[in-house]
Amino acid sequence: GQQVMQIPQYQHVQEGEDFTTYCNSSTTLSNIQWYKQRPGGHPVFLIQLVKSGEVKKQKRLTFQFGEAKKNSSLHITATQTTDVGTYFCAGPVYRGSTLGRLYFGRGTQLTVWP
Amino acid sequence: DTAVSQTPKYLVTQMGNDKSIKCEQNLGHDTMYWYKQDSKKFLKIMFSYNNKELIINETVPNRFSPKSPDKAHLNLHINSLELGDSAVYFCASSRGLASTGELFFGEGSRLTVL
Repeated sequence: GQQVMQIPQYQHVQEGEDFTTYCNSSTTLSNIQWYKQRPGGHPVFLIQLVKSGEVKKQKRLTFQFGEAKKNSSLHITATQTTDVGTYFCAGPVYRGSTLGRLYFGRGTQLTVWP
Repeated sequence: DTAVSQTPKYLVTQMGNDKSIKCEQNLGHDTMYWYKQDSKKFLKIMFSYNNKELIINETVPNRFSPKSPDKAHLNLHINSLELGDSAVYFCASSRGLASTGELFFGEGSRLTVL
């Protein structure tokens, strides 16, 4: 079954509105990564969060890692048309092994209306 | 120079045929991956190689056979193609294991099985 849950699946906003996508895991994550995939493109790494309660900012993007390291969020302030794409969270899952598999959430497809 | 390059970008073929996708990375990374992205954008790990050694095989059918001739190359051969194999296949690489660091993705190979 899916290890990393992400909601919502789709989000349509007017340019200038804010946007948030949420990621949840049933197990504690050692870290969480965020990727962006533009339409027709490939996933591109945005950031990695490692510490409990960590908050990182990249211009209009704010990333948070929960205190229990089981959830994370990406918030975009004042969206622009260049923000269009699918945002994925990804977390390592260890199945009784030291080798973690990086599992991706299902992604949130963001559409921005001008 | 493209960091992770895949060929071909598009494949269209009939059911039952065999096809291969090639991947090369010039980042000097030790670990390479194949991910499958379905029509709903779900990214699922298939295989991972570390220094030419298979370290992750995510219960993929035997019809899929990866090969890593050296740590800069990871190829994927698919036998007896089925309709359900239609997807975008992404090659990726990372310096160490993806569970601890970012993935660099290729541009993807879109496979359509008719």
